[in-house]
Amino acid sequence: GQQLNQSPQSMFIQEGEDVSMNCTSSSIFNTWLWYKQDPGEGPVLLIALYKAGELTSNGRLTAQFGITRKDSFLNISASIPSDVGIYFCAGQLTNTGNQFYFGTGTSLTVIP
Amino acid sequence: DTGVSQNPRHKITKRGQNVTFRCDPISEHNRLYWYRQTLGQGPEFLTYFQNEAQLEKSRLLSDRFSAERPKGSFSTLEIQRTEQGDSAMYLCASSSEVAALNEQFFGPGTRLTVL
Repeated sequence: GQQLNQSPQSMFIQEGEDVSMNCTSSSIFNTWLWYKQDPGEGPVLLIALYKAGELTSNGRLTAQFGITRKDSFLNISASIPSDVGIYFCAGQLTNTGNQFYFGTGTSLTVIP
Repeated sequence: DTGVSQNPRHKITKRGQNVTFRCDPISEHNRLYWYRQTLGQGPEFLTYFQNEAQLEKSRLLSDRFSAERPKGSFSTLEIQRTEQGDSAMYLCASSSEVAALNEQFFGPGTRLTVL
């Protein structure tokens, strides 16, 4: 299957700091989704991106669809303790069905 | 609550037994997906339904796995002759073709442990 490389693998930050993470692939995607997952729960959709170069915000979260269509970025501003969790990117290829390929996740720990 | 629901939330079974999981998608969503997630990994696609038709299946879906969506609403995923390697979180997601967006919404998952 497709490999989505997500980095960093884990982050430990102080409350109030900004966070950046990214997802890269060797393939071109037509859709990028970003999810947050808490332990023992299903992923929760944060942001959806559909066009190259698109920049979309959801509260303190901002995500971008890379110009090359092979990458995407997620930023969290002014982190708070409830931001703790694992963040996954998911991409859909241009000419296949509805399958999404997921990255391996970025584990975020926020220190109060 | 109108989100995706899954039952049971947890299942412990002995190797060789059959198990069945149920997924109820968001009511107006006609697309339904099954994923498998192992510890430390992202979800991996298993299969996809549009209405009652199963349109895509991953190579991960061995012949011991079968999924159905008989009336285009809820879906079941059955695993026959379970193996310890089947232990994982099984996630269901749904989306709407009508909305013309590819946003998939996940349920809480069913955690399977095979002893």
